[in-house]
Amino acid sequence: GENVEQHPSTLSVQEGDSAVIKCTYSDSASNYFPWYKQELGKGPQLIIDIRSNVGEKKDQRIAVTLNKTAKHFSLHITETQPEDSAVYFCGSKTSYDKVIFGPGTSLSVIP
Amino acid sequence: EADIYQTPRYLVIGTGKKITLECSQTMGHDKMYWYQQDPGMELHLIHYSYGVNSTEKGDLSSESTVSRIRTEHFPLTLESARPSHTSQYLCASSEFGLDQPQHFGDGTRLSIL
Repeated sequence: GENVEQHPSTLSVQEGDSAVIKCTYSDSASNYFPWYKQELGKGPQLIIDIRSNVGEKKDQRIAVTLNKTAKHFSLHITETQPEDSAVYFCGSKTSYDKVIFGPGTSLSVIP
Repeated sequence: EADIYQTPRYLVIGTGKKITLECSQTMGHDKMYWYQQDPGMELHLIHYSYGVNSTEKGDLSSESTVSRIRTEHFPLTLESARPSHTSQYLCASSEFGLDQPQHFGDGTRLSIL
């Protein structure tokens, strides 16, 4: 069945450095890719998403890139801050209109 | 800001009890979902609904059941709780459409003794 791989599972960066999380999906018909941030004790919150007809999207310090040929997409966070520390999930919306989530990346930003 | 609410936030209860986890949204979304989130963080879809009177089983088998009598309400029920049901349960909703994001509640953390 469809699956989404996500790497790394844990990531530690110094405050001010960049963080990159990569995801690979299996369903070539996937057309929508959301990214969620989950803070401790809260539900996942959408931070950015990208459609399959777009290669890159940016929102302030956050950007997402999509390579449909290779079936992978990445989240880039620049100038990281301690409040960026959280678990991040990528998702791939399949041809069956369900979102398949990656297993998550725990990001720690060290002050 | 998404308006989706889950109650209770935390529940500790004994084995064999019947439990209902509540989920309500005020956005008029037709689609609603229940996920089980294990300690390893992964999100597993256990139930979803396309609208009133629609319920479907998700990718992860679950002994829970759901109902959708009203658009805004999607409760999850465990008839007889067991320690293996201990987990975090997250509810979400979305509009119809190929690229509509899901909005999540803050979850119910369930512990069965």
